[in-house]
Amino acid sequence: AQTVTQSQPEMSVQEAETVTLSCTYDTSENNYYLFWYKQPPSRQMILVIRQEAYKQQNATENRFSVNFQKAAKSFSLKISDSQLGDTAMYFCAFIGVTGYSTLTFGKGTMLLVPP
Amino acid sequence: GAVVSQHPSWVICKSGTSVKIECRSLDFQATTMFWYRQFPKQSLMLMATSNEGSKATYEQGVEKDKFLINHASLTLSTLTVTSAHPEDSSFYICSARDHASSYNSPLHFGNGTRLTVT
Repeated sequence: AQTVTQSQPEMSVQEAETVTLSCTYDTSENNYYLFWYKQPPSRQMILVIRQEAYKQQNATENRFSVNFQKAAKSFSLKISDSQLGDTAMYFCAFIGVTGYSTLTFGKGTMLLVPP
Repeated sequence: GAVVSQHPSWVICKSGTSVKIECRSLDFQATTMFWYRQFPKQSLMLMATSNEGSKATYEQGVEKDKFLINHASLTLSTLTVTSAHPEDSSFYICSARDHASSYNSPLHFGNGTRLTVT
């Protein structure tokens, strides 16, 4: 079974600054996919970024980038130039490549960008 | 982009009644949909996997007779909370995977349903 651990329940960052959210996971699979989802106060789940385990290059999406360390089973999210709209719960998620795999979520990190 | 419509967005019902929540994929077909439950300030907990034309697969600890799931078409899955009680009050979210995509493609989420049982 897979597990996803987010060790930071809450974080705060000032506007325009950079913050890193941590995520570690445990799996026996060699191929899998990792995701970061954002859930703002509206509670809509929004995909932020996706990483394929067989790709060494870290994924980037505008201000969002990941530091994927496969050997360490670590998948952190870096948010640059933080904005008020980044205030949200952030969930790290894992899915294996077997046909019946389901998405496993971490407990989430509440990120606050105060005005 | 792919849109999943979930209805209603919120519902209040009396204890002992049943409530049906609909999850529709608007611009794609979904052979598989997922139902999650989320308590305040907590993560999403997978309740069941809904497969079109077959019985749903429930996660351990989820009562099948309590949470009835029907996936009668490629664009609609429903979750019925039967004989609801106050402890069933929660936020329920559905998600769907485009059947034309691979199984590890990102899921598309509905906006969720807040259920309050009085």
